[in-house]
Amino acid sequence: NAGVTQTPKFRVLKTGQSMTLLCAQDMNHEYMYWYRQDPGMGLRLIHYSVGEGTTAKGEVPDGYNVSRLKKQNFLLGLESAAPSQTSVYFCASSSPVDRGQNQPQHFGDGTRLSIL
Amino acid sequence: GNSVTQMEGPVTLSEEAFLTINCTYTATGYPSLFWYVQYPGEGLQLLLKATKADDKGSNKGFEATYRKETTSFHLEKGSVQVSDSAVYFCALSNFNKFYFGSGTKLNVKP
Repeated sequence: NAGVTQTPKFRVLKTGQSMTLLCAQDMNHEYMYWYRQDPGMGLRLIHYSVGEGTTAKGEVPDGYNVSRLKKQNFLLGLESAAPSQTSVYFCASSSPVDRGQNQPQHFGDGTRLSIL
Repeated sequence: GNSVTQMEGPVTLSEEAFLTINCTYTATGYPSLFWYVQYPGEGLQLLLKATKADDKGSNKGFEATYRKETTSFHLEKGSVQVSDSAVYFCALSNFNKFYFGSGTKLNVKP
């Protein structure tokens, strides 16, 4: 069971470069999320998607864009990388509420991104 | 609104000691509650969950009970091992939105 797969696992960029982080899930989950994790700040939600073709802003969306063209994939883009975007990025997915019960999120192993 | 507050770490214990990591929450409606564990260099893994008041989630010797009257979901383990050293996150889910605590680092010494 692959679950949630993130690529790449590591990346070093120069300021101003662009890149795309890929998240793929094989659990047929409707919802997908992108977080960043910084020391002492826990997890912060960047963007999320409640279904194919839909996206929404989270807590810290500035400087990022996302797309959900296929249900199983959720892409996070950095148009012009800045040192403040150095972080560990996690993708997660979940199912909708089922019989009144909120379902857990399932996480990938993260992408460690350094911006020089 | 919805939020999660958990005790700050790090928590340092000797092997076989009793563990409690406190977690309290505020929420509207009927959230589900979760504990996640994160080992170094890895993503968050679901440790246990509880979906309604008085439910007890348990896994790998860890337990937590959903206490609506005290809005708490404290994580406990009777005898910790060195391999339990990790960061633990308390979280709640409400209407498909998730709210995480800031994480508590646990160090277990042999």
